[in-house]
Amino acid sequence: EDQVTQSPEALRLQEGESSSLNCSYTVSGLRGLFWYRQDPGKGPEFLFTLYSAGEEKEKERLKATLTKKESFLHITAPKPEDSATYLCAVADTNKLIFGTGTLLAVQP
Amino acid sequence: DAMVIQNPRYQVTQFGKPVTLSCSQTLNHNVMYWYQQKSSQAPKLLFHYYDKDFNNEADTPDNFQSRRPNTSFCFLDIRSPGLGDAAMYLCATSRDSGSGDIQYFGAGTRLSVL
Repeated sequence: EDQVTQSPEALRLQEGESSSLNCSYTVSGLRGLFWYRQDPGKGPEFLFTLYSAGEEKEKERLKATLTKKESFLHITAPKPEDSATYLCAVADTNKLIFGTGTLLAVQP
Repeated sequence: DAMVIQNPRYQVTQFGKPVTLSCSQTLNHNVMYWYQQKSSQAPKLLFHYYDKDFNNEADTPDNFQSRRPNTSFCFLDIRSPGLGDAAMYLCATSRDSGSGDIQYFGAGTRLSVL
């Protein structure tokens, strides 16, 4: 059965303190791994798609990487505005399977 | 400009009173999805439309139904809401339904059941 596990469940960082979020997955045939950001009371906002092991993508302070078993979302020198829940999802045939997310809090 | 628009943002209904949530899109995407997300949980797919073809998830309760009268609009009908149906309901769209197409989400409708 396809499964997505994110860790840690919650992470508190000081402003400027870099860290990484993990997304491990098991899927019969990976058609894409997605990272979304979700602010409280809002819908997920698309960040990145990765399709093959070794692929990397960057956007501002965020960098996503992919291996055959997991993906990392690296956050470099985070700011308070980076505080949100970060969701990982894998594409299986015609739907996304989401993890439960990592709640990130960046303190000034 | 918002591309996937959900109305209302907040909906309060009474136990057993039918409710309809609305979603519209300006992306002209073929696929529209409805997810249910409860607090601190992953979004759970209820069903999706590929054009006019309806695809129901096996574990979606019969209490939930959907309509897609045209490309731009999709509705979620909850026939007899129970307390357990209180959640955030998310609408999403994608150009296609395969090959890992990006899904774009609306802001969601927070449903409360009294």
